[in-house]
Amino acid sequence: DGGITQSPKYLFRKEGQNVTLSCEQNLNHDAMYWYRQDPGQGLRLIYYSQIVNDFQKGDIAEGYSVSREKKESFPLTVTSAQKNPTAFYLCASSSRYGYTFGSGTRLTIV
Amino acid sequence: AQSVTQPDIHITVSEGASLELRCNYSYGATPYLFWYVQSPGQGLQLLLKYFSGDTLVQGIKGFEAEFKRSQSSFNLRKPSVHWSDAAEYFCAVGLNQGGKLIFGQGTELSVKP
Repeated sequence: DGGITQSPKYLFRKEGQNVTLSCEQNLNHDAMYWYRQDPGQGLRLIYYSQIVNDFQKGDIAEGYSVSREKKESFPLTVTSAQKNPTAFYLCASSSRYGYTFGSGTRLTIV
Repeated sequence: AQSVTQPDIHITVSEGASLELRCNYSYGATPYLFWYVQSPGQGLQLLLKYFSGDTLVQGIKGFEAEFKRSQSSFNLRKPSVHWSDAAEYFCAVGLNQGGKLIFGQGTELSVKP
């Protein structure tokens, strides 16, 4: 079945460490997105990519980085510069027919 | 600036009662409108979407939404709520079906027996 896989589901890291969240899709979608979800704030766009080897900052890109070397993959790195990284992270992909979301990664900084 | 507002952070309804979740948007053009539902710790599932045509849109799980251009609103309704409808609901707008979306803050729905 086609879909988006985010791994791991839960991730714990020490403060000051970089961490990379995985997002893979087999839907053949051109566009991919990373959203951050915090209670009461909805989903906020971190980065998005419309084609391979190209990506744009969203509304809250500071402290994050991405790459898009393959159509299927759009990993997100949360760097030590991100002041409050503990959150639920959702990856999505889209075609002209609509969006598909992954099941999310909950990142906790300890 | 483009924005989506869901005025109600938390709503509690009795099982079997009707439901209306409010969504207002601010957008330069006529947007594509979406309602999503999220169970705890999960991704988002599309309930329904509006692009054009009939302003009353039917979705999955018995939900419907009405687009009112004059009020910049896209409220979600269900005639009779089931306990399994308890979840968080997000309204979203976009320029097209597949572009980036702007989300509201979400409305958490609780259903009491």
